[in-house]
Amino acid sequence: EADIYQTPRYLVIGTGKKITLECSQTMGHDKMYWYQQDPGMELHLIHYSYGVNSTEKGDLSSESTVSRIRTEHFPLTLESARPSHTSQYLCASSVTGPLLNTGELFFGEGSRLTVL
Amino acid sequence: SQELEQSPQSLIVQEGKNLTINCTSSKTLYGLYWYKQKYGEGLIFLMMLQKGGEEKSHEKITAKLDEKKQQSSLHITASQPSHAGIYLCGADMEYGNKLVFGAGTILRVKS
Repeated sequence: EADIYQTPRYLVIGTGKKITLECSQTMGHDKMYWYQQDPGMELHLIHYSYGVNSTEKGDLSSESTVSRIRTEHFPLTLESARPSHTSQYLCASSVTGPLLNTGELFFGEGSRLTVL
Repeated sequence: SQELEQSPQSLIVQEGKNLTINCTSSKTLYGLYWYKQKYGEGLIFLMMLQKGGEEKSHEKITAKLDEKKQQSSLHITASQPSHAGIYLCGADMEYGNKLVFGAGTILRVKS
């Protein structure tokens, strides 16, 4: 089983609240990712990191922010949640593959956010 | 992602039947990955293909990457209810950069 953990698994909050979704991995992986998945199931990359102090925006524009102060920790923050942020957020990590490709991603169980 | 087209969008098969899911890109892929997801959960890695013409099998699931590295197929032989779920292909569109995913294929297996 993958050693990557997301908390909370489920969160229901009101509009305007600040929230942080936690993601931790104990595998020492250098790369970490946040994907957003809507009910239609398509996965969109919103943030990724190659290592400590490295963060990049993904293909899908997101109002969330991330930080990577420690290798094992990659939290995602929404300063002011809105109903449009309602979605499932999946965190993943990987090591660089032997041909410099992404390599196998290990996914957390996901955080399902509902903003009322 | 429009960079990766997956087909079909959904599939219902009778238990014991074979099936194929396809994943196509207009660009050369530097790595092609197949994942399975159960509703509301994280993704489980199935297989990774890197070389043109490569084929890998795990139990009753076989994945192939074409010679041009632009198309991959996932084939399930003698499907079982345990194969039901969402199958997603992911690909490295550039070296060591980031993984993008197809829209997924929902598979239901009728007993």
